[in-house]
Amino acid sequence: NAGVTQTPKFQVLKTGQSMTLQCAQDMNHNSMYWYRQDPGMGLRLIYYSASEGTTDKGEVPNGYNVSRLNKREFSLRLESAAPSQTSVYFCASIRTLAGGPSYNEQFFGPGTRLTVL
Amino acid sequence: DAKTTQPPSMDCAEGRAANLPCNHSTISGNEYVYWYRQIHSQGPQYIIHGLKNNETNEMASLIITEDRKSSTLILPHATLRDTAVYYCIVRGNTGKLIFGQGTTLQVKP
Repeated sequence: NAGVTQTPKFQVLKTGQSMTLQCAQDMNHNSMYWYRQDPGMGLRLIYYSASEGTTDKGEVPNGYNVSRLNKREFSLRLESAAPSQTSVYFCASIRTLAGGPSYNEQFFGPGTRLTVL
Repeated sequence: DAKTTQPPSMDCAEGRAANLPCNHSTISGNEYVYWYRQIHSQGPQYIIHGLKNNETNEMASLIITEDRKSSTLILPHATLRDTAVYYCIVRGNTGKLIFGQGTTLQVKP
């Protein structure tokens, strides 16, 4: 199993450009998450998807959109990138039980390092 | 989900036990305590979690006080590879993890 994979690993954008960060997991997990981490800070939740076909806002959703394409894939889109979105982006997934989240561990991808000039 | 308080940094001698404290005084009955660590800005790695009983696995032990308002992560024999940022997180049934700034553990030879 590859676990949680993210593409690209690095990206440099100019202000106003758009891009999509891709995330996929091969563990048959129901729930997926997008976080951002600024230098010297902890991770902050951007959006999450509790199950295929559903998405919800986290702590810092402004400037982002997400798509839960299928059970495996959860993408994060920046429609008009801003320098404030320079960060490391982590995707994560977790197996859930019927009726709600389980208390299993959350698996994280290696991150995408995004710089917006 | 309850917030947590951790010291910003700690040192530990290689081979000794590292004891990382965490306060979560507003924790509610159905919230679990989770510990993750992050090495060199890699993706966070799960360590252990618990509700009210003490827990042990191959990586660490988790000691939760009887009133559940605080906990301690114990790395029994710290190595240089355990140098990382350690996050204590209280998680409820939303499934979301709310990260604080964590404790930077420096293991020294």
